[in-house]
Amino acid sequence: GENVEQHPSTLSVQEGDSAVIKCTYSDSASNYFPWYKQELGKGPQLIIDIRSNVGEKKDQRIAVTLNKTAKHFSLHITETQPEDSAVYFCAAILNDMRFGAGTRLTVKP
Amino acid sequence: NAGVMQNPRHLVRRRGQEARLRCSPMKGHSHVYWYRQLPEEGLKFMVYLQKENIIDESGMPKERFSAEFPKEGPSILRIQQVVRGDSAAYFCASSHGQQKETQYFGPGTRLLVL
Repeated sequence: GENVEQHPSTLSVQEGDSAVIKCTYSDSASNYFPWYKQELGKGPQLIIDIRSNVGEKKDQRIAVTLNKTAKHFSLHITETQPEDSAVYFCAAILNDMRFGAGTRLTVKP
Repeated sequence: NAGVMQNPRHLVRRRGQEARLRCSPMKGHSHVYWYRQLPEEGLKFMVYLQKENIIDESGMPKERFSAEFPKEGPSILRIQQVVRGDSAAYFCASSHGQQKETQYFGPGTRLLVL
């Protein structure tokens, strides 16, 4: 089955800096890669996704890149704000959705 | 435009009791997924259902756990004879169409087994 690894497990940045979270997946047949943001006590919220026929997607301060050859994809958050602080999960879908272990992002004001 | 609804939000049970967790998908969605999240961990897939059908239960424990999604009403995740190790957050997600993509999550049910 699919195996998703996510790094780093924790990330602390100053407000205004950029944050990058990286994930790798094992099965080249996976074709959909969403990113979720989970705030304390809440369910995961979809923030951006990318399909295997696209290399990059951007939505305001958030962007995701996908390297199919290397089987890795990354989340980029620019101009970080304190409200970006949360746990971020990457996922990959083959037969079912497999999540990375999560990255706890802290943005210091 | 209600999102995915789950209830109860918090559930306390003693060992040996039964836990019933409910999930109402987003309007127009007929595909439901259940996930379990242990503290400080990611989400683990449990089961994927469509109306009246279990499509994939490869992530469900073999015993004590069952799920249904009847023609009418919410999806139910049922845990019989709960043990302390069942304490976790259980999330439901729903999607539209036959692809397992673009899943929207509910707020979760936090189960505590005493």
